[in-house]
Amino acid sequence: NAGVTQTPKFRILKIGQSMTLQCAQDMNHNYMYWYRQDPGMGLKLIYYSVGAGITDKGEVPNGYNVSRSTTEDFPLRLELAAPSQTSVYFCASSRPYRERAKAEAFFGQGTRLTVV
Amino acid sequence: AQSVTQPDIHITVSEGASLELRCNYSYGATPYLFWYVQSPGQGLQLLLKYFSGDTLVQGIKGFEAEFKRSQSSFNLRKPSVHWSDAAEYFCAVGTLSGTYKYIFGTGTRLKVLA
Repeated sequence: NAGVTQTPKFRILKIGQSMTLQCAQDMNHNYMYWYRQDPGMGLKLIYYSVGAGITDKGEVPNGYNVSRSTTEDFPLRLELAAPSQTSVYFCASSRPYRERAKAEAFFGQGTRLTVV
Repeated sequence: AQSVTQPDIHITVSEGASLELRCNYSYGATPYLFWYVQSPGQGLQLLLKYFSGDTLVQGIKGFEAEFKRSQSSFNLRKPSVHWSDAAEYFCAVGTLSGTYKYIFGTGTRLKVLA
């Protein structure tokens, strides 16, 4: 019963490097999300997806890209890392709107990224 | 625009004391409301949720929250705090316009004194 799994847990990048944060869920959820968490700022939505092949921007999408080729996976790509992307990244998933009685978000354990 | 406000950044209480964490939301329709807890270095765990019906909802770990539409509030309460409750607490609203998304407040960090 894994839920939402994120890898890696920690990563240090140099400015200008690229990386992909992995996220996988085994609950057959349609909706998946990427958030970043910065001290005192709460969680800000980067990108989200309502199903395989469908993604859309959240509040803070600049500098990131996503893809959703399967229901289970929702990787987040950083192309040219910048110090402003130092943050903790959380992936989440939830059931669709029509199942709203069960529609809380389930979160992964997070990826702590430092860009130096 | 939808938003969630948690006015208290930090709260300190003594073990055994009661707790109330404030949450105010701005949303045009009936909101879906959530409280999550985050222990250090961990992900977010759902404490409780409100969709409709009884405005007083019970959650895990002895927490409850009350939805007050007239005040646009969804405050979290616990009658007697335990040291293990020290964590960061997030209020969130689930938006139903268009696609379903979650908007989070900035969080309240709870410190418990022995």
